[in-house]
Amino acid sequence: ETGVTQTPRHLVMGMTNKKSLKCEQHLGHNAMYWYKQSAKKPLELMFVYSLEERVENNSVPSRFSPECPNSSHLFLHLHTLQPEDSALYLCASSQEVAGRNSPLHFGNGTRLTVT
Amino acid sequence: AQSVAQPEDQVNVAEGNPLTVKCTYSVSGNPYLFWYVQYPNRGLQFLLKYITGDNLVKGSYGFEAEFNKSQTSFHLKKPSALVSDSALYFCAARGGEEYGNKLVFGAGTILRVKS
Repeated sequence: ETGVTQTPRHLVMGMTNKKSLKCEQHLGHNAMYWYKQSAKKPLELMFVYSLEERVENNSVPSRFSPECPNSSHLFLHLHTLQPEDSALYLCASSQEVAGRNSPLHFGNGTRLTVT
Repeated sequence: AQSVAQPEDQVNVAEGNPLTVKCTYSVSGNPYLFWYVQYPNRGLQFLLKYITGDNLVKGSYGFEAEFNKSQTSFHLKKPSALVSDSALYFCAARGGEEYGNKLVFGAGTILRVKS
């Protein structure tokens, strides 16, 4: 049990579908993150939320839309994705967003395949 | 720009032998350094961190890492490898406030321990 739960674990979607990834953290943390993990590439930070406010958006295409209704929940809404968006999407949380001492706690990820 | 390099895509070691997974970093100011491990179909797990003090840091599962400021390195080590250590290992570094204390990851190194 990592303290960060992601659903679904696997998702296959067509390019015209709309789906959402969900993340929930049970650690009382104030910051939540979405990362994209592709094979043989460094983790790509997509979005950062601190106390439900988006503090970073790293030039992510608009077909990815995050939502953070409260400090425990984070969503990633997906719309008209491309095959190159297929990857493992990881949610993480930390005690504070800019805390240099704060390690990230990751969920187990959602394996997304876009057909 | 801040960066983390893991020069080896894969490290192979026999069970019972010592292992080293290499990491070098380029961040501004005093670095905060982290190692994470990822097992198949799982998210990243925090292993250990260097903040300040003793250059040799001990972490989970018998791993340790040595901070070397002059070589800007933070290599992960274990005196005696186990087959169960086989996984993907990520080095990460957090730089100074002018970069928003952003956490930067390396591309990862696959560790294979053979019996």
